[in-house]
Amino acid sequence: ETGVTQTPRHLVMGMTNKKSLKCEQHLGHNAMYWYKQSAKKPLELMFVYSLEERVENNSVPSRFSPECPNSSHLFLHLHTLQPEDSALYLCASSQAPGQSYEQYFGPGTRLTVT
Amino acid sequence: TQLLEQSPQFLSIQEGENLTVYCNSSSVFSSLQWYRQEPGEGPVLLVTVVTGGEVKKLKRLTFQFGDARKDSSLHITAAQPGDTGLYLCAGNTGFQKLVFGTGTRLLVSP
Repeated sequence: ETGVTQTPRHLVMGMTNKKSLKCEQHLGHNAMYWYKQSAKKPLELMFVYSLEERVENNSVPSRFSPECPNSSHLFLHLHTLQPEDSALYLCASSQAPGQSYEQYFGPGTRLTVT
Repeated sequence: TQLLEQSPQFLSIQEGENLTVYCNSSSVFSSLQWYRQEPGEGPVLLVTVVTGGEVKKLKRLTFQFGDARKDSSLHITAAQPGDTGLYLCAGNTGFQKLVFGTGTRLLVSP
């Protein structure tokens, strides 16, 4: 595997379900990110982990819970979501500190909340 | 709140035409990046510009960073159907995160 991988690619869940999104990077980076991409909205940064420590929590509701067990893996645990949480969830990695924090994205998980 | 406004939001052109996409902000960025995203995939980095006034070329794509490092443009010469996608600019705030633009959706028809 190369680059950044995400599983699952598609997920449909009810509002009472609990599920987790997984991200793995094979680039040797030390920072990982979760983004939310909704239709007609700019890409929204949700969480940033640097050296496995959370350095950014962008006012995200507590029904989203991130976990970064090591520099290569990132999870997003989901519970009691709302229909408006339906979106494409993108994981990215970068090398930090760095001048530009260039992001390398995974293909995303398309989440539908019913 | 730092915002990056892109224009136009949507562009539909014929193969062979030229186009320019703009990315504007009232904030200064230490660097700016351009990404292209195709349906069902994540954004892919095209270029990073760092110095005010910098111009970078990537085959038929020309990227420019404004002198004041608040804005940028992407010019595509002789567009091809393979250029179709969502183009995103992203400014580096210097706090280990990027601010993404509103996006420009480009459709190039044969």
